[in-house]
Amino acid sequence: GENVEQHPSTLSVQEGDSAVIKCTYSDSASNYFPWYKQELGKRPQLIIDIRSNVGEKKDQRIAVTLNKTAKHFSLHITETQPEDSAVYFCAAGEVDNFNKFYFGSGTKLNVKP
Amino acid sequence: NAGVTQTPKFRVLKTGQSMTLLCAQDMNHEYMYWYRQDPGMGLRLIHYSVGEGTTAKGEVPDGYNVSRLKKQNFLLGLESAAPSQTSVYFCASSYGEGNLLGDEQFFGPGTRLTVL
Repeated sequence: GENVEQHPSTLSVQEGDSAVIKCTYSDSASNYFPWYKQELGKRPQLIIDIRSNVGEKKDQRIAVTLNKTAKHFSLHITETQPEDSAVYFCAAGEVDNFNKFYFGSGTKLNVKP
Repeated sequence: NAGVTQTPKFRVLKTGQSMTLLCAQDMNHEYMYWYRQDPGMGLRLIHYSVGEGTTAKGEVPDGYNVSRLKKQNFLLGLESAAPSQTSVYFCASSYGEGNLLGDEQFFGPGTRLTVL
């Protein structure tokens, strides 16, 4: 089955700096890569996603890049703000195999004011 | 439009007791999923359903059973709870394959279960 690894497990940055979280996956059949943000005690919520036919996607301060050959994808947050502090999860899934997701272990991001 | 809801929010069980967690969605989603979330391990898929009357095993199905008698509901059962099943349980749902509305899974608020 699919194996998703995520690094780092914790990340501390100063407000205004950039943050990068990296994930690798093992199954070349995976074709959908969502990123979820989870605040303490809350449900995971989608912040950005990318399909395997696209190399990069951007939404305001958030961007995701995908390298299919190397089987890795990354989340980039620019101009970080204290409200970006949360746990971020990457996932890999096959949309034509019942859309099952395999999640990374999460990155706790702390943005210091 | 409530989205995905879960009941109960919290529960404490003794070893060997049974219980059922209920997930409901009002978005007419075909697919529904049950995950457990443990510290440092992300979310792991327990069981999933691709339509009313169907269920299938995920990564960690042992000790759990599920049923989807109605399209909008997905039930997770623990027949004989064990301390290893102490976790936060999340339900999620999504549109079916090929749906132009996207592939996102929408999550419920979670159920915190403690087994003593």
